[in-house]
Amino acid sequence: DIQMTQSPPSLTASVGDGVTITCRASQSISSHLNWYQQKPGKAPKLLIYGASSLQSGVPSRFSGSGSGTDFTLSISSLQPEDFATYYCQQSYSSPPYTFGQGSKLEIK
Amino acid sequence: EVQLVESGGGLVQPGWSLRLSCAASGFTFDDYGMHWVRQVPGKGLEWVSSISWNSGTIGYADSVKGRFTISRDNAKNSLYLQMNSLRAEDTALYYCAKGSIAAAHNGGHFDYWGQGTLVTVSS
Repeated sequence: DIQMTQSPPSLTASVGDGVTITCRASQSISSHLNWYQQKPGKAPKLLIYGASSLQSGVPSRFSGSGSGTDFTLSISSLQPEDFATYYCQQSYSSPPYTFGQGSKLEIK
Repeated sequence: EVQLVESGGGLVQPGWSLRLSCAASGFTFDDYGMHWVRQVPGKGLEWVSSISWNSGTIGYADSVKGRFTISRDNAKNSLYLQMNSLRAEDTALYYCAKGSIAAAHNGGHFDYWGQGTLVTVSS
C-alpha cells in the first residue's frame, strides 16, 4: 500500500500569513493527490483535486502543486476561517485511498 | 444541492452487528462510486470501503475485510455498510462520501461528504 506522510503535523500562523503544507507519497502517484479541509465537528471538505485543481467554490488563496511523490498545499493570506486540519489523500493506487495523518493549522 | 445523510449508528457491544445507511440526493446517484470513511474522535481519516456505480467493483480496508459489507440500492439512492463482529477499534464517526467518478478504484476524489454517524463499540 502507498503511504502518505504530511508535514508538519501542526503549525501556527497569524491572519494574513502564508503557509505551506507538504505531503509525500511512498511511491509515485502521478498527480492523483487530493487535499481536504476539516474544521472541528464538521465533515471534511474537498479543496484541491488532481494535485492542483481548485474545487468549485474554494477561494483562490488555496493552491496545490506537485507530482510524483512530493506535493504541497499553499494558503496565501490566511483568513480566520482557514484554521483547521488539512489532509492529503492519494487515489492513484486504490484501494486503499490512503490519507495522510493530517496537519493542524492553528492561530498564533 | 448534493446531500448525504448517514444514519444507523449507535452503541453496541463487541461482537454485535450494525447497519449504516446513507441517503443521497441532489445528484444522479447511479452515475458515481460511493465510499465510507471513518474517523476516531480526535484522530485522522481512514478509508473503509468503496463501491462502483453498478456494484461491480468493491473494495475494503484490511482492517474491516471479512467483517464489513458495502452495498447500494440505486433505486432508493442509498448506500449501506453492514458491520458484523464489531470490535472496540471500530468505534468511530462513519462518513459517507460521494466519489467523483463512476468507478470505485484508481482515481477521482471524494467531492461531497455527509455529516457522519457515530458508532461506539463497548461493553
